Amino acid sequence: DVVMTQSPLSLPVTLGQPASISCRSSQSLVYSDGNTYLNWFQQRPGQSPRRLIYKVSNRDSGVPDRFSGSGSGTDFTLKISSVEAEDVGVYYCMQGTHWPLTFGGGTKVEIK
Amino acid sequence: EVQLVESGGGLVQPGGSLRLSCAASGFTFSNYNMNWVRQAPGKGLEWVSYITSSSSTIYYADSVKGRFTISRDNAKNSLYLQMNSLRAEDTAVYYCARDRQLFYWGQGTLVTVSS
Repeated sequence: DVVMTQSPLSLPVTLGQPASISCRSSQSLVYSDGNTYLNWFQQRPGQSPRRLIYKVSNRDSGVPDRFSGSGSGTDFTLKISSVEAEDVGVYYCMQGTHWPLTFGGGTKVEIK
Repeated sequence: EVQLVESGGGLVQPGGSLRLSCAASGFTFSNYNMNWVRQAPGKGLEWVSYITSSSSTIYYADSVKGRFTISRDNAKNSLYLQMNSLRAEDTAVYYCARDRQLFYWGQGTLVTVSS
């Protein structure tokens, strides 16, 4: 199975400041069609997960442009350019290239 | 508006069975592959099972293989998860999610396995 490793585990951030979450996969996430199926999800307290980013860097509709994804191969990053109070929650990376689908352990974003 | 509504969760004894349902609306259900994903209390996300739109391809996580069965009824716009031989470690909120990249999620249904 592809192991997804996220860091940090916890990320205290000051409102208005940037935040960055790292995600590494144990093998390349490039699929046979040339796409890299690395997705990012946000789970606010008490809510279901919501997909923010698909295929590394594409924002889903309605996702604020302060969220951005980057990376390639086995190394990926989610950035929040200026953290707002509504961004509090747990963020997960997930690979959709190989079976079984696997998630990172999650990064808890909280306000300092 | 896309909606996925899970139901069927509850308290069950170890070794028991439960059948979860996911009612889909707001999109052409028969065109989309579907998943079940679970989250144990206070823990992260774990993919459970996947079924293609025509039910021709099905995958399971090793942790549930041989005990859980995914199915769907396109005429009823519904996805199912039959869970047998339940264990304490199956206790979780179970979500249905649309397509291989998990675009849309339901609100989840809680399954508690305990004596």
